Formats: sequence, C-alpha cells, structure tokens
Amino acid sequence: DAKTTQPNSMESNEEEPVHLPCNHSTISGTDYIHWYRQLPSQGPEYVIHGLTSNVNNRMASLAIAEDRKSSTLILHRATLRDAAVYYCILRDVGGYQKVTFGTGTKLQVIP
Amino acid sequence: DVKVTQSSRYLVKRTGEKVFLECVQDMDHENMFWYRQDPGLGLRLIYFSYDVKMKEKGDIPEGYSVSREKKERFSLILESASTNQTSMYLCAANPPGPYGYTFGSGTRLTVV
Repeated sequence: DAKTTQPNSMESNEEEPVHLPCNHSTISGTDYIHWYRQLPSQGPEYVIHGLTSNVNNRMASLAIAEDRKSSTLILHRATLRDAAVYYCILRDVGGYQKVTFGTGTKLQVIP
Repeated sequence: DVKVTQSSRYLVKRTGEKVFLECVQDMDHENMFWYRQDPGLGLRLIYFSYDVKMKEKGDIPEGYSVSREKKERFSLILESASTNQTSMYLCAANPPGPYGYTFGSGTRLTVV
C-alpha cells in the first residue's frame, strides 16, 4: 500500500487559514487522496477527496501538487471546533479497499 | 447520509471472555471495516469485508475473527480477550468507488 507522511502536530491562530501538508511520493495513478478528521472521543469524519484537480467543499479545500506526490488540506478560517487530528490517506479504487490510517496531524487552534 | 452504529460505547470484559462487537450500517454498502486505535499508533486495520460472507485480513488480525452474515452487519469477535486488546474499536462502511468512509462512534473496550 502506498504510504503518506504528515507532521505530527501543527498550531494555528483562530480565524487564520491553515495549510495541512501530506506527502505521498509513492502514489499510483489510481490512488485517490482522502482527508479525514477526528474530534476527541469520536470516530473519524470524512472531509474531502480528490484525484488530480483541486477540490472545494463546504468544509475545506484540497490542493494537489501537479506530480501528485503531495497535497495540502486548506481550512480557510480555523475555528476552535477545527481542533482535531487530521488524516491523509490514499485509496486505490482499482482493487481492494484495504487502507491503513497513520497517526495524522494533531491541529491545535489558539484563541 | 450513511449511518454506522456500534452497539456499545463502552465495554468492560474479563480476560479469557469471548467478546462480540457489533456494527450495523443503514445503507446498502458492500464494504465494511474494523479498526483499532491506540495512542501513538493511529488506526490499524483488523479485518474488512467487501460482501456478505467475504472477509479479508487487515494488518493486525491475530486474536480476532469477524462475521458478516447480512450485508448491514459486521461483527468483530475476540475469541479469548486479553489485556493487550484493550483499545478503541472503530467500524466503518463505504460503497465501492472513490467515496469516503463513514465511521461509527467507536467502542472503548477495556479487558481486565
């Protein structure tokens, strides 16, 4: 399985934009990039996914590098409710759905 | 939205007991998964199933088994619970294709 690398932790000031990076240098052509977040005492929650083009939804934006070896989740205005662990994973929809999540990035939002 | 329900939020069991963790999804999704989450180790895949009566081992299947007799239900079984199986257990479901997982709220299992 292709792996992802994320920083262990990041800090952001409230109401500032946040850019959460993810490296996936061994990504294959059929891998989709997915992002999830996990609030304390809850299961992970789907945030966004993409293949090649940048994507936007009501929660966040996903910027994908041209070579697809890295991506960035963008929270446009961080709020205290965005404090969570963010996971970047790759999903190959050409075959089995086996995916392992790493340890993610713990985002702290400072008031 | 798909809802994934795990039968217990908290569970305390004794060493050697047989433990059943139940997960039910309310949509017709083929794929279901069991993960465990431990501090510093992230989410690790135990087993997954892509259809009724089908199952595949994940990264850490030892000490666990699963059952999927109906499409909506995926059960994780600890044949003989041990203290090193104390963990948060998370169930997830998704349809085939590039769609996201929906996770349950988790079951925090303590084995004493």
